[in-house]
Amino acid sequence: DAGVTQSPTHLIKTRGQQVTLRCSPISGHKSVSWYQQVLGQGPQFIFQYYEKEERGRGNFPDRFSARQFPNYSSELNVNALLLGDSALYLCASNNRAGANVLTFGAGSRLTVL
Amino acid sequence: QKEVEQDPGPLSVPEGAIVSLNCTYSNSAFQYFMWYRQYSRKGPELLMYTYSSGNKEDGRFTAQVDKSSKYISLFIRDSQPSDSATYLCAMSESNFGNEKLTFGTGTRLTIIP
Repeated sequence: DAGVTQSPTHLIKTRGQQVTLRCSPISGHKSVSWYQQVLGQGPQFIFQYYEKEERGRGNFPDRFSARQFPNYSSELNVNALLLGDSALYLCASNNRAGANVLTFGAGSRLTVL
Repeated sequence: QKEVEQDPGPLSVPEGAIVSLNCTYSNSAFQYFMWYRQYSRKGPELLMYTYSSGNKEDGRFTAQVDKSSKYISLFIRDSQPSDSATYLCAMSESNFGNEKLTFGTGTRLTIIP
């Protein structure tokens, strides 16, 4: 079975640009969460979606937004990029059994110049 | 003060040694405790999952939770070079609804052959 897949794996943007990151959860998983991991730090919670509805939002500015599609895939959008947005963006999925047991993808590494 | 504190290391030990990794936390509402392993350029992978206080053993790994002291530990016995990775503790208040995980900063571990 395919795990959580994320695209793109790496990307470079300049300050002020916008970026869209994509995530496909494990088949059958209806919940998707997004985390930001800055180099040398642990992942920080950004969003959680379940059945296309936002279930949780972390302490991130409104420049960060996300959505979940009917097939349970998800996109994370970041507008007006800042240097500090450079990080590994992780997507995780889970099913409802043990709902806080997350399976993470390999992440999308964003570099903002 | 961070909700979850973890010594970032780095920690280097010889092969075969017992490794002890620890986290402290301040939020008494945390009930679910996890340890993730993260290899370089990969997403975190769940190692151990514990609810409330107590011990849990899985092969060479033992997780301990002491809620009265707000302290959790991961022990690795007979450490192997393949155990070299960053170890992240994570915690959540709930397993239903918003299952947000709060992570420590991670401890980088190197097992020396």
